[in-house]
Amino acid sequence: EVQLLESGGGLVQPGGSLRLSCAASGFNFNDYAMTWVRQAPGKGLEWVSSISGGGASTYYTDSVKGRFTISRDNSKNTLYLQMNSLRGEDTAVYSCAKGSEGSAYSPLDYWGQGTLVTVSS
Amino acid sequence: EIVMTQSPVTLSVSPGERATLSCRASQSVSSSLGWYQQKPGQAPRLLIYGASTRATGIPPRFSGSGSGTEFTLTISSLQSEDFAVYYCQQYNNWPPGTFGQGTKVEIK
Repeated sequence: EVQLLESGGGLVQPGGSLRLSCAASGFNFNDYAMTWVRQAPGKGLEWVSSISGGGASTYYTDSVKGRFTISRDNSKNTLYLQMNSLRGEDTAVYSCAKGSEGSAYSPLDYWGQGTLVTVSS
Repeated sequence: EIVMTQSPVTLSVSPGERATLSCRASQSVSSSLGWYQQKPGQAPRLLIYGASTRATGIPPRFSGSGSGTEFTLTISSLQSEDFAVYYCQQYNNWPPGTFGQGTKVEIK
């Protein structure tokens, strides 16, 4: 059974940093791309960042480019999102999702429940 | 950057009726289009990928069609558990995961 469990969310002041983690199990982690998607309170889904299965290719939405870094440790079956210079508009539930292929250009077939990030003073 | 536009924003449907949801891409995404269902407090669930292929375990009342820039999700006979928000997502062009803004299917 595929399981994705996010952690690391919380309350942080504007300009602060957080690192989110997503522990994966139930599939060959290094064979599949992984993605972070966020959802602000009462809003729709927003794609944030993706990484290919081997980790060589990374992609970011423009609003987080230069502030967020996606990475993965295939030996630990874990996906990360390092978030720096956080802003109020980054407040959202952040979910990790598994791609159906090694390429980031693939649909997301399993999702975690998400971790809440609140940016506020 | 590709923009995905869904319509309508809200769709009011009676149980047992057909629901038709639309998704338009600002440029061609070929057939690289997925549909997701999200219920309150739950993670999204993949319904359709490749514009028309049902994901594992998805009942046949859900069907997808279209290619290029125009796509449709049809729910042939709405069940109580189908009232939810539906999102389309393209994964053909950069950036690799643009979502539409969602269509809420509510009980009429």
